[in-house]
Amino acid sequence: NAGVMQNPRHLVRRRGQEARLRCSPMKGHSHVYWYRQLPEEGLKFMVYLQKENIIDESGMPKERFSAEFPKEGPSILRIQQVVRGDSAAYFCASSPNGQGTNYGYTFGSGTRLTVV
Amino acid sequence: KNEVEQSPQNLTAQEGEFITINCSYSVGISALHWLQQHPGGGIVSLFMLSSGKKKHGRLIATINIQEKHSSLHITASHPRDSAVYICAGETSGSRLTFGEGTQLTVNP
Repeated sequence: NAGVMQNPRHLVRRRGQEARLRCSPMKGHSHVYWYRQLPEEGLKFMVYLQKENIIDESGMPKERFSAEFPKEGPSILRIQQVVRGDSAAYFCASSPNGQGTNYGYTFGSGTRLTVV
Repeated sequence: KNEVEQSPQNLTAQEGEFITINCSYSVGISALHWLQQHPGGGIVSLFMLSSGKKKHGRLIATINIQEKHSSLHITASHPRDSAVYICAGETSGSRLTFGEGTQLTVNP
């Protein structure tokens, strides 16, 4: 039973390019959360998704960032026209039903995005 | 003011010492999570607490709901315990709000 799979582990993009980060939740988990960790800073919530629905995107920057979790396939965090300030580690977590208190969250290993 | 505050920011210990990391949180947080992050690595969930105390191996986590305070203890610390320990509060809607982390270094 594989854990939360994120890919790629490392991603280098030039300014202005698009970055697509993928997250496959644990088997049986239908709730996905994305978090960002800027260099020398703590983790910050970005977005919470269920299959085909965005539940809470209050942590997402208003422009250039979008997220989806389709019926089939992984959740995708998409960053358009990347800038140097987007360089960070992006972590995904999943849970079976959104009730972290009872069932916990499983984190992926993260995607380290570097914008050059 | 951050909803979750932890201390100390940095902690250095000798192998075998008993270690305590503290976390205070604000109103509106329904549960407290303790996470571990190794350099260059991913994040591992250690504990979730909404009351009382939990133990796993040499790790113990406690929470005092009235005082809105939680502690993570490591008994008989070992160099492999060196990592960043993060407390996170869970709010309604299941989102986590994170503390700044405690960098723990255990020297042999």
